[in-house]
Amino acid sequence: ETGVTQTPRHLVMGMTNKKSLKCEQHLGHNAMYWYKQSAKKPLELMFVYNFKEQTENNSVPSRFSPECPNSSHLFLHLHTLQPEDSALYLCASSRGGAGAFTGELFFGEGSRLTVL
Amino acid sequence: DAKTTQPNSMESNEEEPVHLPCNHSTISGTDYIHWYRQLPSQGPEYVIHGLTSNVNNRMASLAIAEDRKSSTLILHRATLRDAAVYYCILRPRGSGDKLTFGTGTRLAVRP
Repeated sequence: ETGVTQTPRHLVMGMTNKKSLKCEQHLGHNAMYWYKQSAKKPLELMFVYNFKEQTENNSVPSRFSPECPNSSHLFLHLHTLQPEDSALYLCASSRGGAGAFTGELFFGEGSRLTVL
Repeated sequence: DAKTTQPNSMESNEEEPVHLPCNHSTISGTDYIHWYRQLPSQGPEYVIHGLTSNVNNRMASLAIAEDRKSSTLILHRATLRDAAVYYCILRPRGSGDKLTFGTGTRLAVRP
């Protein structure tokens, strides 16, 4: 399997549930990202990881908790979400690393989240 | 950070060239110009990028104005599969691979 794979593709959860989104990349990249795409709004960068270390958190509420156990896997743990958190959550990866930034991100197909 | 301005939507005919404009009048000398597109029900995909010179690849061409205040993405022969939202993005040198997306241009291709 190649590219960036996200699971599940669709998720419906209640406000009191705890769920996780998973992202896996098979590209040998060192940087991974979470973006949120709400209806009628531009993609919003949420988190950035480089070599498993979080390098950016764009003021994301604590009900979203990222985890990056290694350079190939990225999780987004979700708990006590609100209906306005319903969106498409996109994972991306890039080569990363000093001197290797090209601005070329590889995106997964996204996980469509609905919060009831 | 410098901002980009793109038309909300454009239409083209299949097999004809398409010129997608982007204005970035406040671009700095070290900002790269990137183009991505997002097909329906998919994540964005990289199209092309450049700094000062025009660029060509198998997907498209990027024409950058001499003063760098605008750029144009050129699809040489539009196909139905090219219907997507096209994003013009400025990436400051030193910002890593982090990209800030705008609202883009929604391209419709007529058969």
